[in-house]
Amino acid sequence: AQSVTQLDSHVSVSEGTPVLLRCNYSSSYSPSLFWYVQHPNKGLQLLLKYTSAATLVKGINGFEAEFKKSETSFHLTKPSAHMSDAAEYFCVPNNQGGKLIFGQGTELSVKP
Amino acid sequence: EAQVTQNPRYLITVTGKKLTVTCSQNMNHEYMSWYRQDPGLGLRQIYYSMNVEVTDKGDVPEGYKVSRKEKRNFPLILESPSPNQTSLYFCASSWDPSSYNEQFFGPGTRLTVL
Repeated sequence: AQSVTQLDSHVSVSEGTPVLLRCNYSSSYSPSLFWYVQHPNKGLQLLLKYTSAATLVKGINGFEAEFKKSETSFHLTKPSAHMSDAAEYFCVPNNQGGKLIFGQGTELSVKP
Repeated sequence: EAQVTQNPRYLITVTGKKLTVTCSQNMNHEYMSWYRQDPGLGLRQIYYSMNVEVTDKGDVPEGYKVSRKEKRNFPLILESPSPNQTSLYFCASSWDPSSYNEQFFGPGTRLTVL
């Protein structure tokens, strides 16, 4: 089964500065990968997904992620953080059978 | 509006008192699933269903039951709740369980068992 490692449990940025949330995957083949976001007291929302069609994936709210096979990475980025981006972010592989394997996630804090 | 709904959103109950958390989706999805979210443990799958009348255990099924009599509904049943089932529960659905289809999540049900 595929697995991922989110390298930072907590990231803090200032409003207006770039966001980088790191995710490395472990798989012998190109996986299907998602980034989900969970705002406080809310459900999970899909930010973007990689399905091998394109290595640079654009998502909602200005986020994007680049699949790099050579580095086995799928880092999430945003050029300029907004206060509303403060949330928990999950990099999730989708194994066959529909099982999403969630890791610990990365908590993003945005300072004014 | 396409959505997954859960009820109730918040529930406080006592040990041993049977309860049901409902989940409904209006997207005609075949696949539905239940997760629980606990601090430090992330989300873990409880049960899932590939289609009507087809259910299977996830990673943490003990103490839970599910049923899938209709395509749109996937209730989670706790026959005899215990304090270790205090958690945040999410229902999710997708078109099918292939690796390319994202899952849509409900808003969550926060359950406290005293």
